[in-house]
Amino acid sequence: GAVVSQHPSRVICKSGTSVKIECRSLDFQATTMFWYRQFPKKSLMLMATSNEGSKATYEQGVEKDKFLINHASLTLSTLTVTSAHPEDSSFYICSARDQDGQETQYFGPGTRLLVL
Amino acid sequence: AQKVTQAQTEISVVEKEDVTLDCVYETRDTTYYLFWYKQPPSGELVFLIRRNSFDEQNEISGRYSWNFQKSTSSFNFTITASQVVDSAVYFCALKVAYSGYALNFGKGTSLLVTP
Repeated sequence: GAVVSQHPSRVICKSGTSVKIECRSLDFQATTMFWYRQFPKKSLMLMATSNEGSKATYEQGVEKDKFLINHASLTLSTLTVTSAHPEDSSFYICSARDQDGQETQYFGPGTRLLVL
Repeated sequence: AQKVTQAQTEISVVEKEDVTLDCVYETRDTTYYLFWYKQPPSGELVFLIRRNSFDEQNEISGRYSWNFQKSTSSFNFTITASQVVDSAVYFCALKVAYSGYALNFGKGTSLLVTP
C-alpha cells in the first residue's frame, strides 16, 4: 500500500518559536495532501487542504497566517506552526490522496507537538 | 451536508468475542465513498477498507468483515474472534464525490479487547 511519512514524530518547543512538520508520500505522487489536528480522545479535524503548486485551502476557523502550508512538490507538503503557544499543542496528522481514482487517503504517523 | 455517526464511544470485549462497530452516514449525494480506519495507540491511522456508493457487496478480509447497506445508510464493521491487538480507535469516514477531497470523520469508537 501507499506509504506516507511524517517528520518529526515528536517535538517539544518553547512558546513563541516556530515548528515545521514535513509530510512525504514515499511511493506515489500526491497533488493533494491534507493536514488534520487531533485532540486527545477526539476525532480528526481537517485544518487545510494542501495543493501542489498553489495556495492551500483552509477550513473555517483555522488561521492561515499561523499555520503556514507549503506544497512545493508532488511528494512533499510542510506545515509550519508559527509563534507556537501552549494551546497549539496537539497531534498533527497529514494524509495524501492517491491518484488512482479510488479516492483513498493514506495517513502519516502523526506529529505530537508540545509547546511549553 | 454530510455527517458520519459512530454512536458507540467505547466498547470492551473479551478476547475471541465477535464485535460490531456501527457507522451511520448522511449525505444527499448519490456518489460517495465510505472508509474505515484503525488508529492504534501509536497514533497512525491505518486504512482498512474503502467502499463506493455503487458497490453494496459486503466484504470479508480475514477476521474483518463489512456490511454496507444503503437502505439504512449504514456501513458496519465486524471483527470476528477479536484479539488484543485489535484494541484501537476505529474511525468511519465519508467522502462525497463532488465536494472536494476531504474526508468527514465520525467521532470514532474505542475498542478494548482484554485477554
